[in-house]
Order: sequence, then C-alpha cells, then structure tokens
Amino acid sequence: DAGVIQSPRHEVTEMGQEVTLRCKPISGHNSLFWYRQTMMRGLELLIYFNNNVPIDDSGMPEDRFSAKMPNASFSTLKIQPSEPRDSAVYFCAIQFQGRVTGELFFGEGSRLTVL
Amino acid sequence: AQSVTQPDIHITVSEGASLELRCNYSYGATPYLFWYVQSPGQGLQLLLKYFSGDTLVQGIKGFEAEFKRSQSSFNLRKPSVHWSDAAEYFCAVGRYGGSQGNLIFGKGTKLSVKP
Repeated sequence: DAGVIQSPRHEVTEMGQEVTLRCKPISGHNSLFWYRQTMMRGLELLIYFNNNVPIDDSGMPEDRFSAKMPNASFSTLKIQPSEPRDSAVYFCAIQFQGRVTGELFFGEGSRLTVL
Repeated sequence: AQSVTQPDIHITVSEGASLELRCNYSYGATPYLFWYVQSPGQGLQLLLKYFSGDTLVQGIKGFEAEFKRSQSSFNLRKPSVHWSDAAEYFCAVGRYGGSQGNLIFGKGTKLSVKP
C-alpha cells in the first residue's frame, strides 16, 4: 500500500549485527504499529504509537529490540545485536484519524534473515 | 485471554466453487472482528469488519462474513471463488483495553484455487 513505505524490503545479515528497519507513513494517521510475522507464531504486535508516543511495547521480545517515532512521518525498529531467531517479516501499519477503528493499512513488509 | 483460532491451515477449492473460511474467537465482551487478506509478498488488506448491528457484513471483492455470538464464530464466505482470490486470509479481534487498532490475529488460512 502506497500509504506506508518500508525499507529495506529484504535484508540478510549475520548474527550480532545491528539491523534498522524503517517505516515512512503518509500523513493523516494517528497510530502506528510494528508487527512481526513468522511461520511458527503468526502475526505478533511488537509495539504501537499513538500520536508518536509509544503506548504499549509489551510485545517487544527483549531489550535487543527498540523502536522510535521521532515524528509523524518516520519510525524505526532496531535490533541490536541480531540473532537467527529474529528472522521474520516485519510489518509497519497505520490507522488513520477518523477512519473505522481497527482498519489498519499495512506496508509491504521488511523480510529479515539473520544467518 | 483473547484469542483467535483459524482451524484450517490450507484450503483448496476449484474456481467458481463456494468458499467458507472458519474463525473462532475468545473474548469477554462484544468483539470487534476483522478479516484481512495477504497476497504473496504483500502486506495485509482489510476485507471486512464487524462492530455491532447486522450480523452479516459485506466486504470488498465479493466477500461476506457472519457473526454468530452463540458459536463465537466469524466465518468468511464467498459464493464463487476466482483464481485471483488465492492468498492467505487472517481473522482478527480487537484487543480489549488497548488502542482499538491493536489487533490479535489468527494464524491464517492459505487458500489455493484450482482452475
């Protein structure tokens, strides 16, 4: 969806390296979500922001994961150091102000492979 | 705890045949329920949603779903499947106490369509 641009689309890295995933949503949203998708666990919410403020990060697996949203048009998810079990597709999604609650618009995802 | 169960991991139907994908939820109050679709390599797209009122809801691409409180179900249906409907389908419930965009997803049902 052109409303949420994620980069990189694919990343292969070695264990121990730092990984930064980026999300650029279009304007008009009030909430931003980071989800992780794996075969074993399905879609899991990692963290979400309301008006750029982190509200619930209980889904972040460990201290190795951190997320920021410095402004309404940019968010990052960082993994440091990365481990093979972090291999997954990471999605950024937004909810627009005034739209039906629960109607999320997803980016195309960032596929991360940690060797 | 809130949860969503999609009993069928993979379903194959013939083009033109009818389709029903099952979804059962566990929730302590009237749920917000959603169906999303994910094409290969893409993010998720909302098909339809239920909040209240008429228990039969219409969505995009000719899909519909029926909320049955007595069965804790929200099954997705389509009368005639097209080859382009081949994708993975996710049922989701709104998470109590959090942002209304904060969803719990089922593990998904992959739909294959035979010519």
